[in-house]
Amino acid sequence: QKEVEQNSGPLSVPEGAIASLNCTYSDRGSQSFFWYRQYSGKSPELIMSIYSNGDKEDGRFTAQLNKASQYVSLLIRDSQPSDSATYLCAVNTGGTSYGKLTFGQGTILTVHP
Amino acid sequence: EAGVVQSPRYKIIEKKQPVAFWCNPISGHNTLYWYRQNLGQGPELLIRYENEEAVDDSQLPKDRFSAERLKGVDSTLKIQPAELGDSAVYLCASSHTYPAREQYFGPGTRLTVT
Repeated sequence: QKEVEQNSGPLSVPEGAIASLNCTYSDRGSQSFFWYRQYSGKSPELIMSIYSNGDKEDGRFTAQLNKASQYVSLLIRDSQPSDSATYLCAVNTGGTSYGKLTFGQGTILTVHP
Repeated sequence: EAGVVQSPRYKIIEKKQPVAFWCNPISGHNTLYWYRQNLGQGPELLIRYENEEAVDDSQLPKDRFSAERLKGVDSTLKIQPAELGDSAVYLCASSHTYPAREQYFGPGTRLTVT
């Protein structure tokens, strides 16, 4: 079992719709969770971080965390064509690995006009 | 605030040749990371520095890879000799040590080994 799993997609949504991206992780000791956006040919860009169970909103983005289910998600409201990118889920485990980010393989999102 | 700086942006070398990548982290960030990203995959950690100390290098192929972070600021990652399988994007990231460790990436170096 991979440590961090994402559906590779591609996920295609129409402009203005809600895009829902999901991620599961295997290490119950994980303490912090991140979403990165990566445009083709570019490096990952941090867009959201979440540390506690529940929802965290930032503009059109909402991150959701459920540690009991080992599940983190990212919602993008009013999706725009400029949101088309690969979205990487990253999990920071605690203990001696604290500081090590383990990434999923990413979900390709396409927003079509 | 300036971001993470990396050079070169692109490098093409023949196998068995050496190559080096340089990184300058965000000012004030004590923690520096080197990642490797293969096409279609997420980044994988190679080495993590806390100031000058390499605190996690378990994923670094030590037979051919080496890294240093002198004076706790800039860092260099070296491969010698390079193999075809080393073709990838090499990413440098930095973060504060505490509390959140949000990591910010540089633009990366795309290495092609022929």
